[in-house]
Amino acid sequence: SQQGEEDPQALSIQEGENATMNCSYKTSINNLQWYRQNSGRGLVHLILIRSNEREKHSGRLRVTLDTSKKSSSLLITASRAADTASYFCATVSGNTPLVFGKGTRLSVIA
Amino acid sequence: KAGVTQTPRYLIKTRGQQVTLSCSPISGHRSVSWYQQTPGQGLQFLFEYFSETQRNKGNFPGRFSGRQFSNSRSEMNVSTLELGDSALYLCASRNTRDYGTEAFFGQGTRLTVV
Repeated sequence: SQQGEEDPQALSIQEGENATMNCSYKTSINNLQWYRQNSGRGLVHLILIRSNEREKHSGRLRVTLDTSKKSSSLLITASRAADTASYFCATVSGNTPLVFGKGTRLSVIA
Repeated sequence: KAGVTQTPRYLIKTRGQQVTLSCSPISGHRSVSWYQQTPGQGLQFLFEYFSETQRNKGNFPGRFSGRQFSNSRSEMNVSTLELGDSALYLCASRNTRDYGTEAFFGQGTRLTVV
């Protein structure tokens, strides 16, 4: 079953623009992780934010977490064509495995 | 350090057959999880093994089974294949029991059932 729901389902932007993806979830969490998947291949871990953190940065990535609204956002600044991929949020609650949302398909047009 | 290796990369099977997929985790990682990815259902958790013991199991029928060997390599088996089993099967390894740490994924095995 899906815990997270990403929004939008698909996003198309020009190279150099910022891309924002949102994730909402249903139950309380220990942490939330974002992963990237290129064209039906394996997932790559991008960033992890714990439930007691509000914001985290990694290079061109900025993640926020609002536990009161049960939502998170991933911002990719100055997008590049190589950022074209599907992005998934995944939540960890208690001693349960990662539960993934259905993802946002990002297309960055050169 | 070598990444997570899944074999084979592609498989075509006929309904009713069985299939075995293999996953070799990163050296030193004792946790291996399996996921099924389909366009309709997204990423669904199948099961997870840690030190040869199944820790968690997702909501899949008994036709889906797995095991882990003493060298941490894992296999999953699907018996009596159905068309709906066509999917990308992904495995992920971790270096701890803690689900709240980074998971390292393989490239997946694309299974097509005809």
